[in-house]
Amino acid sequence: KNQVEQSPQSLIILEGKNCTLQCNYTVSPFSNLRWYKQDTGRGPVSLTIMTFSENTKSNGRYTATLDADTKQSSLHITASQLSDSASYICVVSGGTSYDKVIFGPGTSLSVIP
Amino acid sequence: DGGITQSPKYLFRKEGQNVTLSCEQNLNHDAMYWYRQDPGQGLRLIYYSQIVNDFQKGDIAEGYSVSREKKESFPLTVTSAQKNPTAFYLCASSFYRDSTGELFFGEGSRLTVL
Repeated sequence: KNQVEQSPQSLIILEGKNCTLQCNYTVSPFSNLRWYKQDTGRGPVSLTIMTFSENTKSNGRYTATLDADTKQSSLHITASQLSDSASYICVVSGGTSYDKVIFGPGTSLSVIP
Repeated sequence: DGGITQSPKYLFRKEGQNVTLSCEQNLNHDAMYWYRQDPGQGLRLIYYSQIVNDFQKGDIAEGYSVSREKKESFPLTVTSAQKNPTAFYLCASSFYRDSTGELFFGEGSRLTVL
């Protein structure tokens, strides 16, 4: 069964600290993996996209890694800010059409002063 | 500015009533999608449309209906047949019809059944 799991379910960190969010997937075949940020009550916004051949992709303070062999991805946030408080969703595409896209349940991140 | 507009943002419905959620995009995207989001779960695909006058069922289409009469518009009707309609509904669009294209989401509509 195609699945995307994320850990931890929720996380609280102090402003300025770093954190890493994890994503494990069993989706096959694999097309690409995205990380989205979703503020409370808003729609998700894409942070990064990685294909099979990419290991690392950065977007400002966000760095995503992908290990296609172990089917794991991580999202590292550096020098966290209060505005980073949101849900982070891992999305894996199992084919070329969007009906093959599997969304993870998300990790809820709270950055406190 | 280009984007996706969903309305209403909040909607309350009595049991047995149909409601229609609006989704409009001015990004000139071919493909549009409706997702349902429930606490602790990943987004689930309700319906999607890759061209005008054509749409496909997603994983949880039962109790929902859509139309795609215009490229810019993809309204979702939540019918009384949907057994548990209380949820956050997200509309999205993409330029490409395949998953290499980025999904752009609207701000969502929260439906509560009283």
